[in-house]
Amino acid sequence: KQEVTQIPAALSVPEGENLVLNCSFTDSAIYNLQWFRQDPGKGLTSLLLIQSSQREQTSGRLNASLDKSSGRSTLYIAASQPGDSATYLCAVNYKLSFGAGTTVTVRA
Amino acid sequence: EAQVTQNPRYLITVTGKKLTVTCSQNMNHEYMSWYRQDPGLGLRQIYYSMNVEVTDKGDVPEGYKVSRKEKRNFPLILESPSPNQTSLYFCASSQGGPDTQYFGPGTRLTVL
Repeated sequence: KQEVTQIPAALSVPEGENLVLNCSFTDSAIYNLQWFRQDPGKGLTSLLLIQSSQREQTSGRLNASLDKSSGRSTLYIAASQPGDSATYLCAVNYKLSFGAGTTVTVRA
Repeated sequence: EAQVTQNPRYLITVTGKKLTVTCSQNMNHEYMSWYRQDPGLGLRQIYYSMNVEVTDKGDVPEGYKVSRKEKRNFPLILESPSPNQTSLYFCASSQGGPDTQYFGPGTRLTVL
């Protein structure tokens, strides 16, 4: 069974600092990995999808890398803003095994 | 607008009273699924469907039923709800395989 772990569980940074969120998974035989954002009490918004054949994906200030051999993905958010405050979740494969998430607070 | 809709968004009910949470997508997606989200446990898959009339259990299927009679709809049925099914429920859909998944807004269910 695929186990997905996200470290740290919570992160607080001053505005402007770069964010680094980590996701690790136990089974490297994956189809893809997806990063989501969830605001309190709200649904999940897809941020980036990395296919198993890719090493990274970029969208604006967001960059996600994937290293299947080591079972890791990292989400980088450049020049953080208070609006980036949310919980970030990674999930593996179309059946979506989720990590518990990293709750980010960006202080103005 | 491409979207996944769920109804109701909020529901308070009593133990044993059958209920259905509807889910509908307008993207002609083949794959649909249901998740529940609980504090400290994260998101866990309840059931999923690869296509019409094809459904299978996820990680926590006990106490739930689903059906997929039409491609766009995937209702979640609780025949006899219990307090431990109090949770935030999400429906999701995708084209299938290695494709982006889209989530509905969630249904907050409280079973008294």
